[in-house]
Amino acid sequence: EAQVTQNPRYLITVTGKKLTVTCSQNMNHEYMSWYRQDPGLGLRQIYYSMNVEVTDKGDVPEGYKVSRKEKRNFPLILESPSPNQTSLYFCASSLGVLGSYEQYFGPGTRLTVT
Amino acid sequence: DQQVKQNSPSLSVQEGRISILNCDYTNSMFDYFLWYKKYPAEGPTFLISISSIKDKNEDGRFTVFLNKSAKHLSLHIVPSQPGDSAVYFCAASERNNAGNMLTFGGGTRLMVKP
Repeated sequence: EAQVTQNPRYLITVTGKKLTVTCSQNMNHEYMSWYRQDPGLGLRQIYYSMNVEVTDKGDVPEGYKVSRKEKRNFPLILESPSPNQTSLYFCASSLGVLGSYEQYFGPGTRLTVT
Repeated sequence: DQQVKQNSPSLSVQEGRISILNCDYTNSMFDYFLWYKKYPAEGPTFLISISSIKDKNEDGRFTVFLNKSAKHLSLHIVPSQPGDSAVYFCAASERNNAGNMLTFGGGTRLMVKP
C-alpha cells in the first residue's frame, strides 16, 4: 500500500529535550515536506526537500532541523523543543515533477511540549 | 500575512443540500489550486484541483470554481452527505514551482447534518 508513515503519532515532552519525528514514504517520491497545523492558521511549511541531500527552509523553519540522507526518509529534528512548538505535525511527499502538485500526507504527529 | 484565506472557520449544512466552501488568495503568481479534506486523527487527503487556465473542474459531487479576476475559488458539494463532514483546506501553488510548494488556507470545518 502506497503511504507516508510518521512516528510517533503522539508525543509529550519537556522543554529542551531533543526529539526526532520520523517520516518515511514508499512511493519513490522525490519531494518531501514537513508542515505544522495550528488552529486558524492551516498548514504551514517548515522544511522541504527536493531530493536526497537537498533541503530548504519553508515558512516557519525556526527551531527545526531536517535531513534527507535517503530518498524514502525525511526526519524532523527539534534540538531544544519549546512550548510554542506544541502543534500537530504532518509529513508529506509528492513526485516532485513540475506540474505535479498533489501531495500525499502522513497521519500526523501530535506534539506537546511542557 | 496569509496569502490564502478561508474566511469561514465553520459551515453547517443539511444533508442533501449544497455545501459551498470559499477561498481567497492574494498572490497573482498562484496558478494551480487544490482542495484537501481532513478527518480527525488523519492526514489531509487530496480532493480536487484546478489549473488557472480553467474556471471550473468537476469530479462527481465535487466542483471547484475559479474566478481569477477576483482571486477567489470555491468548492461546491452537491448533494452533501454526512460523510462529507470534515475540515477542508484550500491550497495554492505558483507557476514553475518545481518544488511543489503549497500554501494552505486556515481551513473550514464542514458539518453535514442528517
